[in-house]
Amino acid sequence: EAGVAQSPRYKIIEKRQSVAFWCNPISGHATLYWYQQILGQGPKLLIQFQNNGVVDDSQLPKDRFSAERLKGVDSTLKIQPAKLEDSAVYLCASSRISGANVLTFGAGSRLTVL
Amino acid sequence: GIQVEQSPPDLILQEGANSTLRCNFSDSVNNLQWFHQNPWGQLINLFYIPSGTKQNGRLSATTVATERYSLLYISSSQTTDSGVYFCAVPGTGTASKLTFGTGTRLQVTL
Repeated sequence: EAGVAQSPRYKIIEKRQSVAFWCNPISGHATLYWYQQILGQGPKLLIQFQNNGVVDDSQLPKDRFSAERLKGVDSTLKIQPAKLEDSAVYLCASSRISGANVLTFGAGSRLTVL
Repeated sequence: GIQVEQSPPDLILQEGANSTLRCNFSDSVNNLQWFHQNPWGQLINLFYIPSGTKQNGRLSATTVATERYSLLYISSSQTTDSGVYFCAVPGTGTASKLTFGTGTRLQVTL
């Protein structure tokens, strides 16, 4: 089975610019997650989708971050405008069902904000 | 929210040595997962272990849910075991919102 695909792998932007990350989960996985991992820390959940509905976005900075999963398959995470503290790796993960199942992570998208 | 602490924070082993990593969590949980993040940043799920003991090759894990801790055992360590090991548990009220621990950074030397 193909893994979770993410792009781009690396992105460098200046503060106040915008950026978008794309994720394609494993086929058949209903639940999709976006995590932010700052250097030296564990991943932090930003948003969780079940099919194309949002299950949890309590830690998403909604004034600058947005995410969508329009057809219940792939997803886009956008940051506009970016701040220096947004420099991190953005990890996408998917699982078959919400709750009791195993998460499979993509390779991540590393963002550097200058 | 739930607190997840891991120990030790850093560990250096010689190849062939054994080690035990610990994960303590502050509230009752109904699942726990162990992950390995390799030096290139890829997170790989090692175990889904809400309770009891599981083994996979040189790795095994034990979760004692009633005492709110889990242990990851690495035997006969290899250089490819290097990286950061995270445990993750669901937060209160949301079964699938995983809260990750602080991580244990392992370096295996020749």
